[in-house]
Amino acid sequence: AQKITQTQPGMFVQEKEAVTLDCTYDTSDQSYGLFWYKQPSSGEMIFLIYQGSYDEQNATEGRYSLNFQKARKSANLVISASQLGDSAMYFCAMREASGYALNFGKGTSLLVTP
Amino acid sequence: KAGVTQTPRYLIKTRGQQVTLSCSPISGHRSVSWYQQTPGQGLQFLFEYFSETQRNKGNFPGRFSGRQFSNSRSEMNVSTLELGDSALYLCASSLAPQGVSVYGYTFGSGTRLTVV
Repeated sequence: AQKITQTQPGMFVQEKEAVTLDCTYDTSDQSYGLFWYKQPSSGEMIFLIYQGSYDEQNATEGRYSLNFQKARKSANLVISASQLGDSAMYFCAMREASGYALNFGKGTSLLVTP
Repeated sequence: KAGVTQTPRYLIKTRGQQVTLSCSPISGHRSVSWYQQTPGQGLQFLFEYFSETQRNKGNFPGRFSGRQFSNSRSEMNVSTLELGDSALYLCASSLAPQGVSVYGYTFGSGTRLTVV
């Protein structure tokens, strides 16, 4: 069964606007971590933000914030003030405490337009 | 601080050949994991090593193997290459040995393998 679901294959946003990328997850573990990565066309996976299942506050890293709704099993990424350089694939991933691997979603392609 | 280094960046191989990919983790990171990325299947976990021991393996045939050396560098090998093995192979290193933590994973730029 798919553990990470990203329902938006592609998104467009204008420069300087905010955008939300959706991610839902499925796990029976109580302890898990949620990650967002950015993958530009070069291929490298760039770590953006992390949220632990026991963290009470939503994670923030600069222009990135994670809207964590544990009961809904949702971990949406919010990018504020989009920049042209934000155009890339974005992946949501989860690691369960019982496992050693990251489970990735299919990704969302974000295009920032001038 | 050097990042995760993967070599080579690009490879073209013929069906039936074998290939070895290399990954040098961030200094001090003892956990190295490998992922295969294809347009159809997305990112799939191959295996993970910690202190030279394979701790977990994904759902891949035995043609895919790996190892980790005492300096934490890792190699993965694919024997008897098939066209479907064409993919971006990503290596990630982590400071945290187990459990869930904020350390997360740092990925390399990947090796793009094309099988013809």
